[in-house]
This record gives sequence, structure tokens and C-alpha cells, in this order.
Amino acid sequence: QSALTQPASVSGSPGQSITISCTGTSSDVGGYNHVAWYQQHPGKVPKLMIYDVTNRPSGVSDRFSGSKSGDTASLTISGLQAEDEADYYCASFTSSHTLAFGGGTRLTVL
Amino acid sequence: EVQLVESGGGLVQPGGSLRLSCAASGFTFRSYWMHWVRQAPGKGPVWVSRINTDGSITTYADSVKGRFTISRDNAKNTLYLQMNSLRAEDTAVYHCARDLLWNLPDYWGQGTLVTVSS
Repeated sequence: QSALTQPASVSGSPGQSITISCTGTSSDVGGYNHVAWYQQHPGKVPKLMIYDVTNRPSGVSDRFSGSKSGDTASLTISGLQAEDEADYYCASFTSSHTLAFGGGTRLTVL
Repeated sequence: EVQLVESGGGLVQPGGSLRLSCAASGFTFRSYWMHWVRQAPGKGPVWVSRINTDGSITTYADSVKGRFTISRDNAKNTLYLQMNSLRAEDTAVYHCARDLLWNLPDYWGQGTLVTVSS
């Protein structure tokens, strides 16, 4: 049950767009459209931002979008705002009927 | 409002046991699969276990298989995690989480800290 691979950090200036990648295998990300993205601020619990690759829960800003190509899923945040600075984790359903998380990406808004 | 409140964490010696509880409210608990997810200090979340609506289907991460047991009491709206043969690497905040669909949690509780140390 290996973790999904994410970059350790990304950064961007207010107003810019950034993309965070999440690479797995055909047994998880590549095999299912059941990929989620979570935002976690320090001391807080993870918040669901995207589910099933592209869907946003009610109340999540449309500045957040998701996509997938092959074994890699991506989260794009457009119009970066200071409040977006947080840790982001991807997660995927797996062929073993478990859930795999990525190692996390720290987003810094410059 | 969905609420998940964990309890039962604490300091335990290696080889010891703990039982975690998660009290659910604000939704129809018996209709949802549920998860336990843990997060070591300064680290990312790691999935631990899941259970279906009536408790007849359970799945575990390899790292806890044979040591941890997930269960639920739908009459009490409560999820449990029995943890035996605890190891130092089990030290983490343990969150219960509601399943949205296909193993993807939507709501998470604040968690309860489990520390395994002599």
C-alpha cells in the first residue's frame, strides 16, 4: 500500500495559478476515477476540495479544479489567494479496496 | 451539521491496547460507510480501516491488519477501533471520517491522540 507521489512544495504569487500533481499507478489513480484532494491548514482537519477527479463539494470555490491523465491526477488553483496557503493531499481508491494518500504538498503564497 | 467526536486516546506502552470511539451526529449514521484515518505529528494522513453500513464488511491497511478491529453500533451512532499489540509507529492522531463514496471521506472528526511509548 504505497503512498501516491506529490511534490513536496509549490509556490505562487497572488492572482497566479498553480498545479499540484499526484502520481500513482494503474492500481489506484490510473484505474479509477475516484480521486480526491484535501486542503489542510495548520491545526485543522483536512477539508475535501475535489472528489471523483473533477467534482467540487458544495461551498468549495470554483477556483479549485481537478483533472487526470493516465496515472497522474492534478489539482489546479487559479487566482491564488493568501488563504489558499496550506498543505494539500491527494487520495485515491485502490484495487485492494483501500484508500491511498499522497505525501502532501505545501503551498506557499508569496 | 455533521459532527464526529473521537475519544479514547492516550498514552499506552508498546504491546498495549486501546479502544477508540467516534460519536456521530447530524446525519443518518447507519446509512454511511465509515473510516479511521491517522496522522502522525507533522505527517500526512494515512488510511487505517473502513467498515460498511451494517458492519459486515471491513478492510484494513496492511500495517494494522491482525492487530486492529473496526466495528460500529448503529443504535448508538458510534464507530469503534480496537487497537491491540500497539507499536511506537502507531503513534498518531486518529480521525474517524464519513465516506462520501468509493472510499473518499468527506467529513472528518478532530481526532484523538494515541501515543505509544514506554
